[in-house]
Amino acid sequence: AQKITQTQPGMFVQEKEAVTLDCTYDTSDPSYGLFWYKQPSSGEMIFLIYQGSYDQQNATEGRYSLNFQKARKSANLVISASQLGDSAMYFCAMREYAGGTSYGKLTFGQGTILTVHP
Amino acid sequence: NAGVTQTPKFQVLKTGQSMTLQCAQDMNHNSMYWYRQDPGMGLRLIYYSASEGTTDKGEVPNGYNVSRLNKREFSLRLESAAPSQTSVYFCASSSLTGAPGQYFGPGTRLTVL
Repeated sequence: AQKITQTQPGMFVQEKEAVTLDCTYDTSDPSYGLFWYKQPSSGEMIFLIYQGSYDQQNATEGRYSLNFQKARKSANLVISASQLGDSAMYFCAMREYAGGTSYGKLTFGQGTILTVHP
Repeated sequence: NAGVTQTPKFQVLKTGQSMTLQCAQDMNHNSMYWYRQDPGMGLRLIYYSASEGTTDKGEVPNGYNVSRLNKREFSLRLESAAPSQTSVYFCASSSLTGAPGQYFGPGTRLTVL
């Protein structure tokens, strides 16, 4: 079974509007972390936001927020006030702590391409 | 502070040739990783090194070897390149404590003919 599922191959949004990118995950480990990365056309991987499984509040970083619904095993990324520079591929990833040590290994979803229209 | 650096940025090989991809980080991170990214797919872990002196296989290790030369450097070697190894290779590093994220290098685009 896929550990990380991103069901939206592509998304379109108008500049200045908000957009939600979906991510569901599958783990039996009670301790895990969820990440979102941005990959622009230049190819680098940019770390955006992190949510720990025990965090009580949803993570926020500037215009990025993570809508964490633990019971539903979803960790959607919300980008508010979209900008043209937000056009990129976005990856959801999970780190499982498997008894205390996972050495930071990440499992990635297949990604969502976001296009922001002017 | 350069973060994670990778060399080369681009490489073309013929089937059967060998090469080593170099990675270095200056963030004093304990753990380092090699991933590959194929078109339309997320990143898949090839090998990782939890700390200096240790290496372990990831999801797709076949056809690769790694060396953790010291705390800063982690190299990936293709002994006999195959067309199926055409991909973009990313090196990453992370701290065992502190900030949870992994920090990535700029990637190496490898084509095997």
